[in-house]
Amino acid sequence: GAVVSQHPSWVICKSGTSVKIECRSLDFQATTMFWYRQFPKQSLMLMATSNEGSKATYEQGVEKDKFLINHASLTLSTLTVTSAHPEDSSFYICSARGPGVSNQPQHFGDGTRLSIL
Amino acid sequence: AQSVSQHNHHVILSEAASLELGCNYSYGGTVNLFWYVQYPGQHLQLLLKYFSGDPLVKGIKGFEAEFIKSKFSFNLRKPSVQWSDTAEYFCAVNAPLSGNTPLVFGKGTRLSVIA
Repeated sequence: GAVVSQHPSWVICKSGTSVKIECRSLDFQATTMFWYRQFPKQSLMLMATSNEGSKATYEQGVEKDKFLINHASLTLSTLTVTSAHPEDSSFYICSARGPGVSNQPQHFGDGTRLSIL
Repeated sequence: AQSVSQHNHHVILSEAASLELGCNYSYGGTVNLFWYVQYPGQHLQLLLKYFSGDPLVKGIKGFEAEFIKSKFSFNLRKPSVQWSDTAEYFCAVNAPLSGNTPLVFGKGTRLSVIA
């Protein structure tokens, strides 16, 4: 089945640091990638949608200058949390979907737990 | 915009008990419906999906779900749960006729199966 690899799985860093999270589709071309954020005991909240080669579309309330998304190839998208602060601590999950209409299922990475001290 | 409600936050069952997890969505148009499972420490995995056709959908590991359009529901069922079914279950929806739309998730239901 389709595999999405997300790296790193856990990051602990000091406040003010920028952190980059990678999301790779290993055996399919991910024309669309989604970035979600999950708080403890809560649902996945969509942060942004990115199509390969285009600028990401951010959900309302998500700061695009804070959460930089790059989707330069069909197999790689990155999320950079710039100047991270403790309130950015969360579980970040990427998801990828292949070409075609929205009937294609979304495949998920293992997530990245970000802890800002 | 679509939204999803999962009414049960935490369900505790004994092994061999039957399971039904509720899911209701709000959207007046055509929808695709999904159930995902997240085992402890693992990523989300697709259990089953409904696009069209037979409203009773069978998925992996003995799970099934029934789409009832009039009730805007897509409840997940399993006749006999096992300890290994302990996980978080998420219902999700998207609107395929509205472009390249992402999945919108419910808050999830934690299932604990005890021996």
